[in-house]
Amino acid sequence: AQSVTQLDSHVSVSEGTPVLLRCNYSSSYSPSLFWYVQHPNKGLQLLLKYTSAATLVKGINGFEAEFKKSETSFHLTKPSAHMSDAAEYFCVVTLRGGSYIPTFGRGTSLIVHP
Amino acid sequence: NAGVTQTPKFQVLKTGQSMTLQCAQDMNHEYMSWYRQDPGMGLRLIHYSVGAGITDQGEVPNGYNVSRSTTEDFPLRLLSAAPSQTSVYFCASSPNRDQPQHFGDGTRLSIL
Repeated sequence: AQSVTQLDSHVSVSEGTPVLLRCNYSSSYSPSLFWYVQHPNKGLQLLLKYTSAATLVKGINGFEAEFKKSETSFHLTKPSAHMSDAAEYFCVVTLRGGSYIPTFGRGTSLIVHP
Repeated sequence: NAGVTQTPKFQVLKTGQSMTLQCAQDMNHEYMSWYRQDPGMGLRLIHYSVGAGITDQGEVPNGYNVSRSTTEDFPLRLLSAAPSQTSVYFCASSPNRDQPQHFGDGTRLSIL
């Protein structure tokens, strides 16, 4: 079984300041981890993925995430927020063994102030 | 390049009615899934398929049926709609279990 906890339901930043969205996971097998972004009234779009290669993963739009096995974390960061980054972000875990049931975090709403 | 296409985009039903949400993908992906998204709950897996002719239950399958007669199509059927099924439904596809999913734009369903 696996689970995902997104530690903040809302994160508020000013444009041009760093972004940190936190995600912790638990899994019985080696996990694959993903971050998706959802803009209003749209489907989810992949930001980045971790599937057992490099632990620091770079994604689209300047986002990156670091897989830390010892801390069971996969936090999403960006050095400088843009207004267009305002959206809902989801951390997702799937197992590379066992049953296929992707588990989604409850989401973090990123608010960017001008 | 259409990707994952969901129809309809909006639907209002009365309690007890049945309907089918359509999902089609043109990427020749083996895996397809249906999710529901409710406020503060993230996405929850309803049913999924790992190839034509193969389906399985997700976390919240009750009240829903699926079939996968072709690689491209994965319809979701509500047998007898209930207000608790008011939600936004997303279809997704991926080449295999370890690859990212591609999502449709969703179907917003209200049950009165």
